[in-house]
Amino acid sequence: GAVVSQHPSRVICKSGTSVKIECRSLDFQATTMFWYRQFPKQSLMLMATSNEGSKATYEQGVEKDKFLINHASLTLSTLTVTSAHPEDSSFYICSARKASNQPQHFGDGTRLSIL
Amino acid sequence: DQQVKQNSPSLSVQEGRISILNCDYTNSMFDYFLWYKKYPAEGPTFLISISSIKDKNEDGRFTVFLNKSAKHLSLHIVPSQPGDSAVYFCAASSYGGGFKTIFGAGTRLFVKA
Repeated sequence: GAVVSQHPSRVICKSGTSVKIECRSLDFQATTMFWYRQFPKQSLMLMATSNEGSKATYEQGVEKDKFLINHASLTLSTLTVTSAHPEDSSFYICSARKASNQPQHFGDGTRLSIL
Repeated sequence: DQQVKQNSPSLSVQEGRISILNCDYTNSMFDYFLWYKKYPAEGPTFLISISSIKDKNEDGRFTVFLNKSAKHLSLHIVPSQPGDSAVYFCAASSYGGGFKTIFGAGTRLFVKA
């Protein structure tokens, strides 16, 4: 089956730090990768969609200068939370998709805690 | 504006019985529907999908039914097992929407032994 690896699984850091989260599709080439944020007891909130080699498309209300997304290859996308603050603490999940008519496959998420 | 709605936040079912999880959508352009299962502190796992040209898709204990006229889909799990206890997300996408997937809020299923 399709495997997506997300790293790290947990990050605890001080306010003002920048944090990078990696998302890799291990056994398929992902034309598109997605980044989600999940608040407690709420659904997945799509932050941005990234296609390999092009700029990410951000959802309304998501600051692109705050959440930098790089999709350098068909198997790797990174999300960098710049100058993180306590309100950025959340569960971030990535997903990858082989083609537009295929299901997304998710990583196991990253629990980000900003002190 | 919630385009995909799961109106039941939780559902409790006895082991061995049928679990029925419901989902409604408002966008008639949706043509591809999916169900995901999520355990705490993990990413969602794809379960089953259905395209709008079908009204039923079955995979083992999991069956998804689609009623396009009612804009309603449901996931049936038979027989339910304690390991099925998780949050289930309904999702929908459309070709015209660039296949951006819209998720419902999820339903937490408890299967009692």
